[in-house]
Amino acid sequence: GQQVMQIPQYQHVQEGEDFTTYCNSSTTLSNIQWYKQRPGGHPVFLIQLVKSGEVKKQKRLTFQFGEAKKNSSLHITATQTTDVGTYFCAPQTGTASKLTFGTGTRLQVTL
Amino acid sequence: DAGVIQSPRHEVTEMGQEVTLRCKPISGHDYLFWYRQTMMRGLELLIYFNNNVPIDDSGMPEDRFSAKMPNASFSTLKIQPSEPRDSAVYFCASSERSYYGYTFGSGTRLTVV
Repeated sequence: GQQVMQIPQYQHVQEGEDFTTYCNSSTTLSNIQWYKQRPGGHPVFLIQLVKSGEVKKQKRLTFQFGEAKKNSSLHITATQTTDVGTYFCAPQTGTASKLTFGTGTRLQVTL
Repeated sequence: DAGVIQSPRHEVTEMGQEVTLRCKPISGHDYLFWYRQTMMRGLELLIYFNNNVPIDDSGMPEDRFSAKMPNASFSTLKIQPSEPRDSAVYFCASSERSYYGYTFGSGTRLTVV
């Protein structure tokens, strides 16, 4: 079945440093979504990537979808304490409507 | 819109008791999903519905778990009998269309003692 690896599992940065999390799949994906979950909260949808090589930006966040549609990344420029949380990638394959969530990357930001 | 509404927010029950979790999706959303989150297993999809019809229940752990969606505005996840290993946060999510982003509810934190 589909396996989704997300790295790193945890990262601790100083405020102002950059952060990147990677999502790698063993199979070709139809699309991939990214979610953020604050401590004690629920996952919140950030973005969806559909096209090979697609790049999308949301303020300080940059999302990329690999050319082969098997991997994706989320990059945060100049992190802030409000970026604290766990970031999940969630790929879809084939025609299935369901999302399989990655293991998540927990980001801790300190002053 | 009030978003996806789940109840109760917290539930503590004794092993062997029946537990019912409730979810009201966003009006107009065709898809409803039940997920379970634990430290060990992460976010696991249990079951999902499309237009009130169960489509994939392959993630339901065992026969103790059942889910229903009697109408477009209500779904339940029932565990009978409950066991300590069922302790987790259970999330309900809804989506307007296939391949759209999900809106999650605030979750139900279940503790079985």
